[in-house]
Amino acid sequence: GENVEQHPSTLSVQEGDSAVIKCTYSDSASNYFPWYKQELGKRPQLIIDIRSNVGEKKDQRIAVTLNKTAKHFSLHITETQPEDSAVYFCAASPNTGNQFYFGTGTSLTVIP
Amino acid sequence: DVKVTQSSRYLVKRTGEKVFLECVQDMDHENMFWYRQDPGLGLRLIYFSYDVKMKEKGDIPEGYSVSREKKERFSLILESASTNQTSMYLCAASLYTEAFFGQGTRLTVV
Repeated sequence: GENVEQHPSTLSVQEGDSAVIKCTYSDSASNYFPWYKQELGKRPQLIIDIRSNVGEKKDQRIAVTLNKTAKHFSLHITETQPEDSAVYFCAASPNTGNQFYFGTGTSLTVIP
Repeated sequence: DVKVTQSSRYLVKRTGEKVFLECVQDMDHENMFWYRQDPGLGLRLIYFSYDVKMKEKGDIPEGYSVSREKKERFSLILESASTNQTSMYLCAASLYTEAFFGQGTRLTVV
């Protein structure tokens, strides 16, 4: 089955700096890569996703890049704000939503 | 608004008890999932279901079973609860893309 690795496990940045979280996957059949944000005590929620036919996608301060050849994808958050503090999970899906394999999560702390 | 509801937010059960965790979705989504969330281990898939009465094992099915008698309801069953099943359990539903999560059930087995 699919194996998703995520790094780093913890990340601290100063407010206004950028944050980058990286994930790798093993199954070349994976074609959908969502990112979820989980604030303390709350449920994970989708913040951005990318499909395998696209190399980059941007939504305001967040962007995701995908390198299919290398089997890795990354989340980029620019101009970080304290409300960006949360645990972020990457995931890979070989069946576009029928199955999700999650990374182990990155705890991001934005220091005011 | 999309809604996935888990029956309990917190549960405390004794070792050896049979435990039922219930999840209901109102989106008519076919795919439903049960995950377990532990610090440093992320979200690990226990079981998932593509349709009524259909189930597939995930990565860590041992000690668990599931039931899906109706499309909107997906139940996780701990046949004989053990202390190593103390965890946060998250249910999710999806149709093609985004997975919508329930609020989670924090289960403590004593």
